[in-house]
Amino acid sequence: AQTVTQSQPEMSVQEAETVTLSCTYDTSESNYYLFWYKQPPSRQMILVIRQEAYKQQNATENRFSVNFQKAAKSFSLKISDSQLGDTAMYFCALAGGGADGLTFGKGTHLIIQP
Amino acid sequence: EAGVAQSPRYKIIEKRQSVAFWCNPISGHATLYWYQQILGQGPKLLIQFQNNGVVDDSQLPKDRFSAERLKGVDSTLKIQPAKLEDSAVYLCASSLGGGGSYEQYFGPGTRLTVT
Repeated sequence: AQTVTQSQPEMSVQEAETVTLSCTYDTSESNYYLFWYKQPPSRQMILVIRQEAYKQQNATENRFSVNFQKAAKSFSLKISDSQLGDTAMYFCALAGGGADGLTFGKGTHLIIQP
Repeated sequence: EAGVAQSPRYKIIEKRQSVAFWCNPISGHATLYWYQQILGQGPKLLIQFQNNGVVDDSQLPKDRFSAERLKGVDSTLKIQPAKLEDSAVYLCASSLGGGGSYEQYFGPGTRLTVT
């Protein structure tokens, strides 16, 4: 069975600061994908960034980047120059290389203070 | 491009009643998922369809939950009879294919309250 663990229920930072959200996972598959999803208050879940496990290079999307440590089974999300609109629940998720659905962590509530 | 549509957005029922949710995926998306998101938790996969066939329903409580995807497009999820612990947001998602290589697009969800 696959598991995803997010150990930070809530984080709060000032606007323009950099923040890192932590995630660890466990899977027996050799080919898998890791994701960070954002769920703003009362709005739809959207994909922030995706990492393919067989790629050593960390994924980057504008202000969002990941630190993927495959041996440690760690997948953290770094948000640079945080903005008020980044306030949301952030979920780390895992999918196998086959026809799998997503396994989600419990989420981290990120609050960006003005 | 239209997103994933779900209805109703909110539903309140009494325990032991039945309820049905509807999902219309993005046009052309072969894979459809239903997730259950209980307050304070991450979504949990209930069932996955590939076209109109079931790929994974291992976490679906089959004694009370059922789902179908007729003609490989729209899908309905039904609960009968509902229990208090079924109170949750039910999310529908769709993707071009299954697995992590395809992005899943989520609908706005249906918030179910069982009293």
